[in-house]
Amino acid sequence: KAGVTQTPRYLIKTRGQQVTLSCSPISGHRSVSWYQQTPGQGLQFLFEYFSETQRNKGNFPGRFSGRQFSNSRSEMNVSTLELGDSALYLCASSLAAGGTGELFFGEGSRLTVL
Amino acid sequence: AQTVTQSQPEMSVQEAETVTLSCTYDTSENNYYLFWYKQPPSRQMILVIRQEAYKQQNATENRFSVNFQKAAKSFSLKISDSQLGDTAMYFCAFMKSQGAQKLVFGQGTRLTINP
Repeated sequence: KAGVTQTPRYLIKTRGQQVTLSCSPISGHRSVSWYQQTPGQGLQFLFEYFSETQRNKGNFPGRFSGRQFSNSRSEMNVSTLELGDSALYLCASSLAAGGTGELFFGEGSRLTVL
Repeated sequence: AQTVTQSQPEMSVQEAETVTLSCTYDTSENNYYLFWYKQPPSRQMILVIRQEAYKQQNATENRFSVNFQKAAKSFSLKISDSQLGDTAMYFCAFMKSQGAQKLVFGQGTRLTINP
């Protein structure tokens, strides 16, 4: 069974540009969540989607957005990039709707903003 | 809001030794989950062990076990017979049992197993 797949693995952007990251969950998983990992702030929750609906959103500006498609694949978008957006963006998927807690993570997308 | 605190930024032990990683958390919830995740240098986050708050019995997974003290809001991870492959960042995390699957992470402990 394939794991959580994130693309691209690495990308470099300049300030002011926008970026879209993709996440394909494990087959059958309907919940997808996104986390930002930085050395200074650690791991922070961005948002979670279940059945194409955003169920919860972290404390990030509106420049950060996401969506989920009918096949459970998810994308997140960051517009007007800032230097501080440089981070590892992790996607995680899970099977159930409720809080069973077992999340499966992808390898992440490393974004560098110059 | 929930918070998770890991007071040991780095730890280092010799192979085959036992090591304990500390974690405390703060919540007003009664039902929740606690986790330890491992992030090796390859950086993929892997679930090590999970504890459901309503269960008094401490969770164990092979060489990994936890000491869950609900009243003290403490959740430590013990690694027995440590192996070189245990070298990684370890994150303690909290999740409410109801609602969105949102993990609140601690800052992590960098564990190095020396040969």
